[in-house]
Amino acid sequence: KAGVTQTPRYLIKTRGQQVTLSCSPISGHRSVSWYQQTPGQGLQFLFEYFSETQRNKGNFPGRFSGRQFSNSRSEMNVSTLELGDSALYLCASSLDKGNEKLFFGSGTQLSVL
Amino acid sequence: GENVEQHPSTLSVQEGDSAVIKCTYSDSASNYFPWYKQELGKRPQLIIDIRSNVGEKKDQRIAVTLNKTAKHFSLHITETQPEDSAVYFCAASDSNDYKLSFGAGTTVTVRA
Repeated sequence: KAGVTQTPRYLIKTRGQQVTLSCSPISGHRSVSWYQQTPGQGLQFLFEYFSETQRNKGNFPGRFSGRQFSNSRSEMNVSTLELGDSALYLCASSLDKGNEKLFFGSGTQLSVL
Repeated sequence: GENVEQHPSTLSVQEGDSAVIKCTYSDSASNYFPWYKQELGKRPQLIIDIRSNVGEKKDQRIAVTLNKTAKHFSLHITETQPEDSAVYFCAASDSNDYKLSFGAGTTVTVRA
């Protein structure tokens, strides 16, 4: 079984731009979650999707948004990028519960200049 | 919301010794507590988890204990090996929340 795939692996953007990150979950997994990882901060929850519905959202500004498609693939979008958005964005998939037995992707490393 | 605190932030142990990482949580509704290991440059991977109706769980050299009354849980690694060097994250969750609240992580270094 293929693991969780995230693209692109690296991104360099400038302030004010927007970015779209993609995540393909493990086949059969219907829940996809997104986390932001920064040094010393651990993993901060962004949002979770199941069957194209957002079931929970973290404490991030409205510039962060996401969606899930009928094939369970998910995208997240960050608009009007700020320097503080520089981080590793991790996607995780699970069978149905957004909190149990998460399988993480390798992440997208976003640098905002 | 849930707040998870993790200690220590760094831990250096001699190969063969034990390592203990402790976490506390704030939300009494939390009932699921996983631990993830992230090796340098790699993705986090689940190594063990425990539910609130269980006090202890073991898997070979790793074990997790949970004290619901005190709202804390711990990861114990015995007979540490160089491959145990990594960042370990604890997390807590309410089953109805569809998310994990992570601690800030503990960097474990096993000295040969």
